[in-house]
Parts: sequence; C-alpha cells; structure tokens
Amino acid sequence: EAQVTQNPRYLITVTGKKLTVTCSQNMNHEYMSWYRQDPGLGLRQIYYSMNVEVTDKGDVPEGYKVSRKEKRNFPLILESPSPNQTSLYFCASKRDRSYNEQFFGPGTRLTVL
Amino acid sequence: EDQVTQSPEALRLQEGESSSLNCSYTVSGLRGLFWYRQDPGKGPEFLFTLYSAGEEKEKERLKATLTKKESFLHITAPKPEDSATYLCAVQAGGNTGKLIFGQGTTLQVKP
Repeated sequence: EAQVTQNPRYLITVTGKKLTVTCSQNMNHEYMSWYRQDPGLGLRQIYYSMNVEVTDKGDVPEGYKVSRKEKRNFPLILESPSPNQTSLYFCASKRDRSYNEQFFGPGTRLTVL
Repeated sequence: EDQVTQSPEALRLQEGESSSLNCSYTVSGLRGLFWYRQDPGKGPEFLFTLYSAGEEKEKERLKATLTKKESFLHITAPKPEDSATYLCAVQAGGNTGKLIFGQGTTLQVKP
C-alpha cells in the first residue's frame, strides 16, 4: 500500500530535550515536506526537500532541522524544543516539485511542557 | 503576496441539503489548485487537482470547479459521513514546489 508513515504518533516531552520525528514514504517520491498545523493558522510548511541531500527552508523553519540522506526518509529534528513548538505535525510527499498531488502522513501530535 | 481564503469557516447542513464551499486565491501564476479532506486528528486526504479555469472534477457527491479567481467545492445531497474539514491549496509558479493552504471549511452534516 502506498503510504507516508510517521513516528511517533503522539509525544509529550519537556523543554530542551532533543527529539526526532521520523517520516518514511514508499512511493519513490522525490519531494518531501514537513508541515505544522495550528488552530487559526492552518498548515504551514517548515522545511522541504526536492531530492536526496537537497533541503530548504519553508515558512516557519526556526527551531527545526531536517536531513535527507535517503530518498524514502525525511526526519524532523527539534534540537531544543520549546512550548511554542507544541503542535500537530505532518510529513508529506509528492512525485516531484511540479504540480502533482501531495500525500500526507497520519500526523504527530507533539506537546512540549 | 500569494494568499488563499476559504469561506465559510464552518457550515452546518442537514442530510440531503446541497451547498458549496468557496476558495478564493491570489497567486502569481497558478499552476494547480488542490482540494483535500481532513478528518479530526488525521492527515489531509487528497480529493482533486484543477489546473485551468473552466476545469471540473467529480467524485461521488463532490464536484470541484475552477475560475481565474476562485474554486468551488459543490456537495450534492450530503451524508453525515461527509462531515470533515475541507482544505484548499494552490501551487504558484516558481521552482519550490510549495503549496499554500487556506484555513479550511469545517462541514457538519446532521442526519
């Protein structure tokens, strides 16, 4: 089954404790993104990657890091999480940077205390 | 600045009561407009892509249309299972592949 998977699905952590949210897709897609979704603000892109070893900032990259060492994986790293990073996070992928549909993972609900 | 605005924010319908959701956009060089459905706590699920004014797409009780300034998602004879948040997104010209999302319309269909 074609899908985007994320882990963990739920995470409660404390300020400053480094964490990684994993994302993997099995569709051989070149383009992958991370979004956060907050009430009243909608979906905002954090980082994106057009291919292996090619990443760039989205609209809200502060406090986040990403890497793309393999085509299928695109982890999101929070080096020192803060409470304002409490949010619902989605990983997404699409075939390439052109105008094709994007597929989303199930989401990771992160709470930073 | 590229922008997407959806209206209404929330819509309550009785089962069988048809209606439309609106997505207005201002972008430099529209390359694609996308509709997604999102259930609470889940990832958005792709519904339609529209590429040019005049284009229409249908799927079961849903029909999406596109003009040069807006898109409509028409829901005909909705059922309670159509209750969800419907998101509109646009991809403008440029080479980032970025989608710009509206804030969504939350639809509730009562039996």
